[in-house]
Amino acid sequence: DIVMTQTPLSLSVTPGQPASISCKSSQSLLHTDEKTYLYWYLQKPGQPPQLLIYEVSNRLSGVPDRFSGSGSGTDFTLKISRVEAEDVGVYYCMQSIKFPPFTFGPGTKVDIK
Amino acid sequence: QVQLVQSGAEVKKPGASVKVSCKASGYRFSGYGISWFRQAPGQGFEWLGWIGLYNGNTNYAQRFQGRVSVTADTSTSTAYLELRSLRSDDTAVYYCARDRAMNYYGSGSDNWGQGTLVTVSS
Repeated sequence: DIVMTQTPLSLSVTPGQPASISCKSSQSLLHTDEKTYLYWYLQKPGQPPQLLIYEVSNRLSGVPDRFSGSGSGTDFTLKISRVEAEDVGVYYCMQSIKFPPFTFGPGTKVDIK
Repeated sequence: QVQLVQSGAEVKKPGASVKVSCKASGYRFSGYGISWFRQAPGQGFEWLGWIGLYNGNTNYAQRFQGRVSVTADTSTSTAYLELRSLRSDDTAVYYCARDRAMNYYGSGSDNWGQGTLVTVSS
């Protein structure tokens, strides 16, 4: 199975400041169809996850543009340009190139200072 | 709007089976796939299996092979997860989630059920 790692595992951010989360995969997530199967989810407290970013850098409709994804191959980053109070929760990266199974990173807990 | 509504919490004894339902509405059920995930208390996510409602195909995580089945009833737009030979470490919240894109497995899951807590305890 592809192993996903994330750093940091926790992050405390002042509102209005940027935040960045790194995700690395044990194998390249670039498919022969030229898509890269890396996704970012946010799980807010007491809720199911919500998809923020698909295929590295595409924001789902309705996701604020302060969220951006980048990267290639095995190294990926989620950036929040200006953290707001509603952004608290646990962020997960997930791969679906080697399916089954989909695999998730361990999660990065973001809270507000 | 798209909704996935799951069945209620379950308490099972070790060795028993559980079947969780996921009723979909607000979209063409037969055009998408549905995955099942779980989250043990205080833990991250684990994917169990997937069914493509457009082709009837299923895929399962190898570690659950033989213990898990994902099925669907297109007449009621309901998907099901059955997990057999339950153990205490199967205690988790189980989620269904719809594929983001039609006819496209591995496209991410953009709509999730509310989750079903399954507790396995003697």
